[in-house]
Amino acid sequence: ILNVEQSPQSLHVQEGDSTNFTCSFPSSNFYALHWYRWETAKSPEALFVMTLNGDEKKKGRISATLNTKEGYSYLYIKGSQPEDSATYLCAFYLNTGFQKLVFGTGTRLLVSP
Amino acid sequence: DTAVSQTPKYLVTQMGNDKSIKCEQNLGHDTMYWYKQDSKKFLKIMFSYNNKELIINETVPNRFSPKSPDKAHLNLHINSLELGDSAVYFCASSQVPGRTEAFFGQGTRLTVV
Repeated sequence: ILNVEQSPQSLHVQEGDSTNFTCSFPSSNFYALHWYRWETAKSPEALFVMTLNGDEKKKGRISATLNTKEGYSYLYIKGSQPEDSATYLCAFYLNTGFQKLVFGTGTRLLVSP
Repeated sequence: DTAVSQTPKYLVTQMGNDKSIKCEQNLGHDTMYWYKQDSKKFLKIMFSYNNKELIINETVPNRFSPKSPDKAHLNLHINSLELGDSAVYFCASSQVPGRTEAFFGQGTRLTVV
């Protein structure tokens, strides 16, 4: 069974705080790791697709790093804003057997003004 | 202009009925998917279609059948609905599975009574 684990499960921060979440995935047969942002009552939207060990990607105040050898990725949000409140999902692409994106349960972020 | 659209957004139906959920994408993607959001909020893949060929069929009951009239459409047909089928179903598409992001529809909340 392939496990993609995210921590923490939920996080409550104040506006202006910087925060980070972790995604752990199998370190063997790595193909790609995705990060998605999922606001309540909307559909998941892609933030990053990461494929190379050591990848670091950035979109505005959000950035992500990737370590495929040890099987983890970090997502950072600098200076959190209330509009950043959402669930952040990571997904590991399994490229063997039944190829598919395997999603973690997400980290639910709440940013208070 | 919605990239991935699915209808209906809400569907309430009685046990034993047969229903369909439609999905269309205007992105020109080759691969489309159906995901189910389970009671624990996990997104789990049900089906994947690439150029009208089924390439993944997870362990879902054969009461669920994807139907793809063309590359831009992947409809989900469900026979003999059961209470346990109540969930949110998401359609998605991507150009290169794993290497490129998945675009999701807004979801269909199915309630079986």
